[in-house]
Amino acid sequence: QKEVEQDPGPLSVPEGAIVSLNCTYSNSAFQYFMWYRQYSRKGPELLMYTYSSGNKEDGRFTAQVDKSSKYISLFIRDSQPSDSATYLCAMISGGGNNRLAFGKGNQVVVIP
Amino acid sequence: DGGITQSPKYLFRKEGQNVTLSCEQNLNHDAMYWYRQDPGQGLRLIYYSQIVNDFQKGDIAEGYSVSREKKESFPLTVTSAQKNPTAFYLCASSDGPKTVAFFGQGTRLTVV
Repeated sequence: QKEVEQDPGPLSVPEGAIVSLNCTYSNSAFQYFMWYRQYSRKGPELLMYTYSSGNKEDGRFTAQVDKSSKYISLFIRDSQPSDSATYLCAMISGGGNNRLAFGKGNQVVVIP
Repeated sequence: DGGITQSPKYLFRKEGQNVTLSCEQNLNHDAMYWYRQDPGQGLRLIYYSQIVNDFQKGDIAEGYSVSREKKESFPLTVTSAQKNPTAFYLCASSDGPKTVAFFGQGTRLTVV
């Protein structure tokens, strides 16, 4: 079993719809969770960073963490064509090791 | 502006040649990383360095080498021993354990 599982998609939605992305993980040592957005041929950019279980909102984006189920989610409300990108989940353990574990990324296409 | 600069953006290499990818950061981050990204495979860690003059192998270090002589610089050499070097290479840095990583814009390496 891979440390981080993320369905690669692609996921196509009409403009204005809610996009729902998720990752599952197997290592209970993961304590810090991130979502990155990556446009084609560009480097990933940080979208959300969360530590505790629960929800974190930033504009149209909501990150959700459920540590008991080892499950994290990203929701994009009122999706726009500019949201079309690949979304990667990432996580770090709470120990001294600073290595990030990434999901494979989920390609999202928002259709105007 | 603070950030991570990778150069060149595109690089072509003949089989059997070594090539060096540049990564420079002015964020004053201690840790730096090199990832390789292939379609459908997500990000795979090649090498990382948590401090100057020290670095560790990642998951796919064979055929690659790095140096960390200065805090701001972490060049990656793709050697002729790397059997399948065509890929998108991403450099990242972070401020230390349990902190997020920031990425450069990547270098697309193609072997011709």
